[in-house]
Amino acid sequence: TQLLEQSPQFLSIQEGENLTVYCNSSSVFSSLQWYRQEPGEGPVLLVTVVTGGEVKKLKRLTFQFGDARKDSSLHITAAQPGDTGLYLCAGAPYGNKLVFGAGTILRVKS
Amino acid sequence: DVKVTQSSRYLVKRTGEKVFLECVQDMDHENMFWYRQDPGLGLRLIYFSYDVKMKEKGDIPEGYSVSREKKERFSLILESASTNQTSMYLCASSFEGGRVEKLFFGSGTQLSVL
Repeated sequence: TQLLEQSPQFLSIQEGENLTVYCNSSSVFSSLQWYRQEPGEGPVLLVTVVTGGEVKKLKRLTFQFGDARKDSSLHITAAQPGDTGLYLCAGAPYGNKLVFGAGTILRVKS
Repeated sequence: DVKVTQSSRYLVKRTGEKVFLECVQDMDHENMFWYRQDPGLGLRLIYFSYDVKMKEKGDIPEGYSVSREKKERFSLILESASTNQTSMYLCASSFEGGRVEKLFFGSGTQLSVL
């Protein structure tokens, strides 16, 4: 059983559509991170959220940390083919090492 | 441009062989990590190191060992490779200090054990 559950596992959408990816847990985290991994490359950090209820924006990407610090979401507006990749959430349970979710594979078709 | 470099992108080995995966970082980071990535399982921590000659077991250390003789280099060793060790291996580094650990990853080594 994953400590961090991501949904959906796979998402295929048309260019211009909006989408949301979820990262959920029954545990409380001191922080949550989102990474994007493109084929043949390692994950690259997109954002870190540290405060319950925090919202961060990175161009067309909006990240939210749940009030209870147990979940997070990533919303992409007007998806582009360049957004295609594997999106991973990672969280640090208090006093422990980072744990990763299984990831969401996003494919944006032009 | 900061980098974490893994020595091989693809490796094919036979069952029972000793396998070395090398990782070098040029960011003077104290912390280094080895993960394996399998479909549907995400990244799982094998070993990590906070300092030279220091190592700590992660979540799945069985069948692996590591070596950190220099700050910039962290090696993963499979003493006797088995088919269930076929996977993508990712090395990462981070700097000490700060409230949140931020990982910088290499491009990965896809290992196939036949």
